[in-house]
Amino acid sequence: KQEVTQIPAALSVPEGENLVLNCSFTDSAIYNLQWFRQDPGKGLTSLLLIQSSQREQTSGRLNASLDKSSGRSTLYIAASQPGDSATYLCAVDRDDKIIFGKGTRLHILP
Amino acid sequence: DGGITQSPKYLFRKEGQNVTLSCEQNLNHDAMYWYRQDPGQGLRLIYYSQIVNDFQKGDIAEGYSVSREKKESFPLTVTSAQKNPTAFYLCASSPYGTGNQPQHFGDGTRLSIL
Repeated sequence: KQEVTQIPAALSVPEGENLVLNCSFTDSAIYNLQWFRQDPGKGLTSLLLIQSSQREQTSGRLNASLDKSSGRSTLYIAASQPGDSATYLCAVDRDDKIIFGKGTRLHILP
Repeated sequence: DGGITQSPKYLFRKEGQNVTLSCEQNLNHDAMYWYRQDPGQGLRLIYYSQIVNDFQKGDIAEGYSVSREKKESFPLTVTSAQKNPTAFYLCASSPYGTGNQPQHFGDGTRLSIL
């Protein structure tokens, strides 16, 4: 059974720092991996989607990497801003169902 | 603008009552999904539908029911058999399956027990 783990559960960093969020999954037979952002009381917004054949995707200050063989993905946020404060979830896609991690709650200190 | 609309934003259920959560999308997506989110937990799949008039149970379908009579609509009924319904419910859609496209989410419905 696929399990997705995100560490740490919560993270506080000063504004301007670069940071890395981690995601691991137990079954490497995935179609893709997505990183989502969730603001309090809101739905999820897809940030980056990495296909199983890809190694990384970039969007602005965000860079996501995927290492299928080791079952790991990282989300790198450059030059963090207070507006980046949110919960970040990773999810892996297999058999038309998505399995989510519990998320990392990120707080950027002004 | 295309998107997913969930209503109501907040819903209260009395003991023994069934309640229905609405989810409408104008993205022309084939697949629609219902998730439940509890505090500090990841999203858990309740039901999903890949085509009109067809749907499958997810991981926690007991106490819930759905219908998919139109491509745009995928309502979720929380029945009285669901003994712990208090949660945040999220609806999502994607082009058929999820293979190469991200899922799009609504803003959720928060259900509480009176």
